[in-house]
Amino acid sequence: GQQLNQSPQSMFIQEGEDVSMNCTSSSIFNTWLWYKQDPGEGPVLLIALYKAGELTSNGRLTAQFGITRKDSFLNISASIPSDVGIYFCAGGGGADGLTFGKGTHLIIQP
Amino acid sequence: DAGVIQSPRHEVTEMGQEVTLRCKPISGHNSLFWYRQTMMRGLELLIYFNNNVPIDDSGMPEDRFSAKMPNASFSTLKIQPSEPRDSAVYFCASSFSDGYGYTFGSGTRLTVV
Repeated sequence: GQQLNQSPQSMFIQEGEDVSMNCTSSSIFNTWLWYKQDPGEGPVLLIALYKAGELTSNGRLTAQFGITRKDSFLNISASIPSDVGIYFCAGGGGADGLTFGKGTHLIIQP
Repeated sequence: DAGVIQSPRHEVTEMGQEVTLRCKPISGHNSLFWYRQTMMRGLELLIYFNNNVPIDDSGMPEDRFSAKMPNASFSTLKIQPSEPRDSAVYFCASSFSDGYGYTFGSGTRLTVV
């Protein structure tokens, strides 16, 4: 089946630092999405990307859909304590289901 | 809208017992997905429905797992008999069939002892 390689697995950063994580795939996806999961909750959609090369921002978050359609990155600027959580990339979607990466654990030290 | 509602939030059961997880999707959404999350394997798609019809159950691990969607507002995931390796968090998600922004429930944390 399709697999997504997400990196890094975890990040330990200081509050105020910028964060960057990415996802690659051996398969082409027509949609890339980024989710965040807080402890004890389900993933929540942060950003959806629908076109190769698309760059989209949502507040301090910026995500890009790679031109080859096989990768995507997510940047978080000026991290704050509430950014702590697990970030997942996902590809596919619609009526075919989403394939998720293994997640990036973000830990912020005050 | 109350979002995707799952019950129970936590379930502890003994090996061999039957377990039923429940999901109420967002009203109007016509696609429903069941995912399982573990540390080792991450989020895995088990099965999904479109307009109450199962479309792909290739992710269901074994015959011990079954899922139903008798109507647009309710779905169940059943494990019979349960085994310790079934311990995981099970998520239900729903969306419009041509949409990509799935909404997840809060999950059911299943522990089989």
